[in-house]
This record gives sequence, C-alpha cells and structure tokens, in this order.
Amino acid sequence: GQQVMQIPQYQHVQEGEDFTTYCNSSTTLSNIQWYKQRPGGHPVFLIQLVKSGEVKKQKRLTFQFGEAKKNSSLHITATQTTDVGTYFCAVTSGTYKYIFGTGTRLKVLA
Amino acid sequence: NAGVTQTPKFRILKIGQSMTLQCTQDMNHNYMYWYRQDPGMGLKLIYYSVGAGITDKGEVPNGYNVSRSTTEDFPLRLELAAPSQTSVYFCASSYPRGQGNEQFFGPGTRLTVL
Repeated sequence: GQQVMQIPQYQHVQEGEDFTTYCNSSTTLSNIQWYKQRPGGHPVFLIQLVKSGEVKKQKRLTFQFGEAKKNSSLHITATQTTDVGTYFCAVTSGTYKYIFGTGTRLKVLA
Repeated sequence: NAGVTQTPKFRILKIGQSMTLQCTQDMNHNYMYWYRQDPGMGLKLIYYSVGAGITDKGEVPNGYNVSRSTTEDFPLRLELAAPSQTSVYFCASSYPRGQGNEQFFGPGTRLTVL
C-alpha cells in the first residue's frame, strides 16, 4: 500500500532559525496537503499543492511540490514561538481517502 | 457556522463497554472521515463516507462501526471497547475533490479504555 514518510520526526530550533520538514511518498501523488496541529489541538489545513514543481508561500511558510510529484517540503523562515506544533502532510489514496504522514514535531526555543 | 462538532470531549470506558462518538457538521460537506491519533503519532483513517447512506473502511476499521443517515451526522460506534482503542478520535469533513477539498477537523474526543 501507499506509504508516506516524513522527516525529521522532531526538530528543536532557536527562535529566529529556519525549519524544514520533508514528506516522501512511494508513489506519484495527485496532490498533497499540509496541516498544522498545535499541542492539544486538532489539525488545521494550511495548503494544498497540485502541480509538479509548484511553490506556494504564506508569509514565512514556503511549500514546494517535487517535480516528480513524489515529495514535498514545508520551510519556515525565522521561526517564532507561535510556529510550535506538529506539521503533517496528507496524500490521497484513491479519490476519497487520505493517508497522513507521521508528522514533524517542532519545538521553538525562545 | 459551528463547523465540525464532536461529543463527548472526554470519556473513560471499561473494557467491554460500548459507546457512540457523535460528529456533526453544518457546512453541507459530502465527505466525512473518522481518524484516530495515538499519543505522539499521526492520524489513521478508521472509516469515511462520501455521502448519506455510503460508508467505507479506512486503514484501521476493526472494532468500529459507522452510519451516515444524513449529510450532517456521522457517528462512530465502538463495540466491546479494548485498551488498544485508547486514543484521540477526530472527525473531519470536506467538499469533494475539485471543489477545494481541505479537511475541516472537529476538536476531538479523548477516549481512555481501562
């Protein structure tokens, strides 16, 4: 079945440092979504990428979809304490079902 | 709009007991999902539904049942609770693909089985 690997599992950064998490799939993807989950909270949708090589930005967050549509990355520039949480990618398995990655837990040290 | 609501927020069950987790959405979404999230882990899909009267299994359906009699409601039934079902359960809903299919999640139900 489809597998989605996310690395790293954990990342501790000093406030102001950059952060990147990667999502890798064993199969070619039709699209990929990214979610953020604050500690004790529920996942919140950040963005969806559809096109090969697509790059989208949301303020300090940059999302990229690989040319082969098998991987994606989320980069945060100059992290802030508000960025703390776990970042998940989610890929479709068929039309309706989503497979979530294992997540990258980000801790930001002030 | 309230979005996706879930009840109860917390529950403790004894082994062998049964319960229903409620999920309601007021966004007229066709698709609804149930996930479980074990501590420090990702989300695993239990069941999903693409519309009233239509449900299908996800990755981890054993020990659970669902029904979808209306567009708004998607309850999850646990029969004969086991300690392995201790988890946080999230319900989510979305429009179909092609209509902006981001998933909206409820606040979750934290279930402990002792």
